[in-house]
Amino acid sequence: KAGVTQTPRYLIKTRGQQVTLSCSPISGHRSVSWYQQTPGQGLQFLFEYFSETQRNKGNFPGRFSGRQFSNSRSEMNVSTLELGDSALYLCASSLNAGARAFGSGTRLTVV
Amino acid sequence: GENVGLHLPTLSVQEGDNSIINCAYSNSASDYFIWYKQESGKGPQFIIDIRSNMDKRQGQRVTVLLNKTVKHLSLQIAATQPGDSAVYFCAENIGGADGLTFGKGTHLIIQP
Repeated sequence: KAGVTQTPRYLIKTRGQQVTLSCSPISGHRSVSWYQQTPGQGLQFLFEYFSETQRNKGNFPGRFSGRQFSNSRSEMNVSTLELGDSALYLCASSLNAGARAFGSGTRLTVV
Repeated sequence: GENVGLHLPTLSVQEGDNSIINCAYSNSASDYFIWYKQESGKGPQFIIDIRSNMDKRQGQRVTVLLNKTVKHLSLQIAATQPGDSAVYFCAENIGGADGLTFGKGTHLIIQP
């Protein structure tokens, strides 16, 4: 069974630009959640989607958004990028709740 | 790696010894706990989980202990191997469906 797949692996963007990251969950998993990992703040929850609906949201500004498609694939978008958005963005999937399987992440660098 | 600059607690153990990694969780309402292992350049990898109606759970070479009275979680790794070198995170959750709240992590270093 293929694991959680995130694309791209690495991304460099300029301040003010926007970016879209993609996540394909494990087959059959309907819950997809997103996390930001930085050296200063560690791993922080962004949001979770289940059956195309945002079910939970962390404490991030509205510049961070996401969506989930009918095939459970998910995208997250960050608009008006700031230097502080440089981070590893991790996607995790699960059947409904419980243990999440993580992808390898997308390393975003904002310059 | 992802955690450079975080000044993680470090645990250094000899190969073959047992390792104990501790975690204090924050929310007394949390009822589900997970331990993850993260190697450099990779995402967190599930190790073991435990629900609040249990105080101990064992897996292959790993044991998780939960003390709800003092909000403490520990991960015991038996016969530590070089491949166990990684950063270990505990995570807590309420009801299973909300986002996970992660601890800061502990860097486990295996001495040959």
